[in-house]
Amino acid sequence: QQQVKQSPQSLIVQKGGISIINCAYENTAFDYFPWYQQFPGKGPALLIAIRPDVSEKKEGRFTISFNKSAKQFSLHIMDSQPGDSATYFCAALGGSQGNLIFGKGTKLSVKP
Amino acid sequence: DVKVTQSSRYLVKRTGEKVFLECVQDMDHENMFWYRQDPGLGLRLIYFSYDVKMKEKGDIPEGYSVSREKKERFSLILESASTNQTSMYLCASSLWHNGGQFGYTFGSGTRLTVV
Repeated sequence: QQQVKQSPQSLIVQKGGISIINCAYENTAFDYFPWYQQFPGKGPALLIAIRPDVSEKKEGRFTISFNKSAKQFSLHIMDSQPGDSATYFCAALGGSQGNLIFGKGTKLSVKP
Repeated sequence: DVKVTQSSRYLVKRTGEKVFLECVQDMDHENMFWYRQDPGLGLRLIYFSYDVKMKEKGDIPEGYSVSREKKERFSLILESASTNQTSMYLCASSLWHNGGQFGYTFGSGTRLTVV
């Protein structure tokens, strides 16, 4: 009930392409869904987040799509660049579970 | 900017040693966390604390303990280091806002190798 399932585990995209990472959750009490970006040797950093009262949030090339009925949310990276190569974690927060619950991460490689 | 500072970037310790990992945050966050990160396993919560002198076990507390004597400092202790504790350790902090947590911020991590 408390898990967040993330896929794929790894992703290779050509420069300029669209990267898509998907997450699914079970707990309907979750009310905050952030994505974190982690570069090698660094800690995860907040990239973008959404609450379930909206279906989409866009910040530059990064977009979260949220489907409340399906209990799924996804990260889209438009015009992917080699500098986007990193590990991405989805997460969820809310309800009786006080702490952030993380997916297992997706390692994205963007080829020049 | 919120800063979460971990005292060491890299550590090499011997099996059986007692190891201290230190974390300090400078934004008066109430909550602090220790995670370990391993390939394919994501971020796993070891211990967390919502207040000074308070600690709660996370998902994988075995072999670890913690100390929080001051609000800004949260220490992770490996009582007797073992090779299966070789990992990246991440500290994080957050605050309470409107009944929920907000502003999770991570340190840069400590890569611990136990030989």
